[in-house]
Amino acid sequence: AQSVTQLDSQVPVFEEAPVELRCNYSSSVSVYLFWYVQYPNQGLQLLLKYLSGSTLVKGINGFEAEFNKSQTSFHLRKPSVHISDTAEYFCAVSRMDSSYKLIFGSGTRLLVRP
Amino acid sequence: DSGVTQTPKHLITATGQRVTLRCSPRSGDLSVYWYQQSLDQGLQFLIQYYNGEERAKGNILERFSAQQFPDLHSELNLSSLELGDSALYFCASSVSTQGDTQYFGPGTRLTVL
Repeated sequence: AQSVTQLDSQVPVFEEAPVELRCNYSSSVSVYLFWYVQYPNQGLQLLLKYLSGSTLVKGINGFEAEFNKSQTSFHLRKPSVHISDTAEYFCAVSRMDSSYKLIFGSGTRLLVRP
Repeated sequence: DSGVTQTPKHLITATGQRVTLRCSPRSGDLSVYWYQQSLDQGLQFLIQYYNGEERAKGNILERFSAQQFPDLHSELNLSSLELGDSALYFCASSVSTQGDTQYFGPGTRLTVL
């Protein structure tokens, strides 16, 4: 079975500061990795995903994430956040073999303060 | 706008009732997924359909059922509703190659009173 752990339920940060949202996963098989963002009263939007190749993945809105196989982590980073980045961020995995379903972490609320 | 539409946006009903949630996938997407988002259980996969056939099942209650029609739209039927079924129900769609991005609809917020 797969599981995803997002240790931080909420991360407060000041505008223009850097931020890192942590994600660790557990799986007995190889997985694809995703970060989704959910703005208030909206659906989920893909920020970025790791399928293979370079372990540093760049996504939309200036976000990037690094896949670390030995530490089973996929942390999300942004060098300078904006007020508009305030949202809930979800890390997710899906198995590489047959199932396409996403297993989500519990989410991290990023709160950007002026 | 993801291209995935869900109706209705909000649904308020009483315990014991039955409701149907509808989802239209993005044009060209063959797979439809249903997820439930609740405060206590977070985002959970319910069920996946691919081109009309059930492909995978998650933590879906027996009181819940779904289907995908020939035009690829999908419906999630929830019956004998309980207070604990109150949640946001999301539909997502993808082309259905492994690793494909799943595009999420805006969700249907179900409130059971």
